Amino acid sequence: NAGVTQTPKFQVLKTGQSMTLQCAQDMNHEYMSWYRQDPGMGLRLIHYSVGAGITDQGEVPNGYNVSRSTTEDFPLRLLSAAPSQTSVYFCASSYASAPSHGTEAFFGQGTRLTVV
Amino acid sequence: KNQVEQSPQSLIILEGKNCTLQCNYTVSPFSNLRWYKQDTGRGPVSLTIMTFSENTKSNGRYTATLDADTKQSSLHITASQLSDSASYICVVRVPGGGNKLTFGTGTQLKVEL
Repeated sequence: NAGVTQTPKFQVLKTGQSMTLQCAQDMNHEYMSWYRQDPGMGLRLIHYSVGAGITDQGEVPNGYNVSRSTTEDFPLRLLSAAPSQTSVYFCASSYASAPSHGTEAFFGQGTRLTVV
Repeated sequence: KNQVEQSPQSLIILEGKNCTLQCNYTVSPFSNLRWYKQDTGRGPVSLTIMTFSENTKSNGRYTATLDADTKQSSLHITASQLSDSASYICVVRVPGGGNKLTFGTGTQLKVEL
């Protein structure tokens, strides 16, 4: 049972480079999201998707793009990396809607990105 | 100002001791509140979930409480173990479509011999 798989686990980029962080889930979850985690701050939502073909911006979307061509995959693209994007990135998936107990978000292992 | 505040920021306790972590939130209305455990270098994992109508929920040595009137939650860990060393994050879900979450900054717990 793979759950949510993120690759790579570590990455170093030079300022201005672009790259794609991969995220895949095998639980048939409609809802997928990307967060960044910085010291002293809670996880912040970058982009999210409620289903294939549908994406929307979160709290901190600038400098990032996403697409959702399939239910399973939700890649995050950094268009032109900046030192301010140095962070740990987490992908999460869950069911989009549920009874009052809500849904549990399942997180990937994270990608530690350093932009120099 | 963060809508979910946690205290203390960090805590060191001896193995076998109990501890209580606090979470105050201003998110309103909210659908449910979860406590997540995040081990170093890993993603968060859900420990407990409570809706606004629930006061307490247990998961083994973890017991969460919720006071929806004062907008406070606590996570009590009994008979701590070295493996409890982690960050504990309080997360509030906003009602509506999707699964929008508001995260606290976490309490870093270290359990020592």
